[in-house]
Amino acid sequence: GQNIDQPTEMTATEGAIVQINCTYQTSGFNGLFWYQQHAGEAPTFLSYNVLDGLEEKGRFSSFLSRSKGYSYLLLKELQMKDSASYLCAVRDSNYQLIWGAGTKLIIKP
Amino acid sequence: IAGITQAPTSQILAAGRRMTLRCTQDMRHNAMYWYRQDLGLGLRLIHYSNTAGTTGKGEVPDGYSVSRANTDDFPLTLASAVPSQTSVYFCASGAGTSAGELFFGEGSRLTVL
Repeated sequence: GQNIDQPTEMTATEGAIVQINCTYQTSGFNGLFWYQQHAGEAPTFLSYNVLDGLEEKGRFSSFLSRSKGYSYLLLKELQMKDSASYLCAVRDSNYQLIWGAGTKLIIKP
Repeated sequence: IAGITQAPTSQILAAGRRMTLRCTQDMRHNAMYWYRQDLGLGLRLIHYSNTAGTTGKGEVPDGYSVSRANTDDFPLTLASAVPSQTSVYFCASGAGTSAGELFFGEGSRLTVL
């Protein structure tokens, strides 16, 4: 079956750096997405990786290793507003998105 | 620019009743999706439409139906609601199946008693 694994919850301190990992086993691979979802709100797009390596976008970076079925989202200079759930999703061979359950990130002052 | 709009935002419904969740987008996206989100689970695809006039079943289609009469609208119908359909429902759209990100509506919180 298809599976996306990410930690359920993480805690970090304001101003610090946090890395949220995602491992996947899917039928084919056509890209990996990270979304941010604040409580009670809709998911919003953060990043997209289809080739191995690091994609940087401001304070957020996303890394992909297709051979290892692994990705991480790196958040730098954490701010209180970064408290949210972070969803990892993989597009499979049928171009359908398979979603992880999300990682709830708690930022403490 | 509205983007993607869902209605109602929240609804409490008696079991056995019929309910339609509305979804409208103004981005002229070809692909539209309905997901449900339950605590501890990832978003699960209910139905999708790759283009107007076509629909397909996702991971959890039973008890739900959709239609795609035009590009903008993609309603989701629960013919006879059951308590297990209590969930938050998100409509999403994208430029195409192989295109980039999805854009989500604000969600419809449905409680079936």
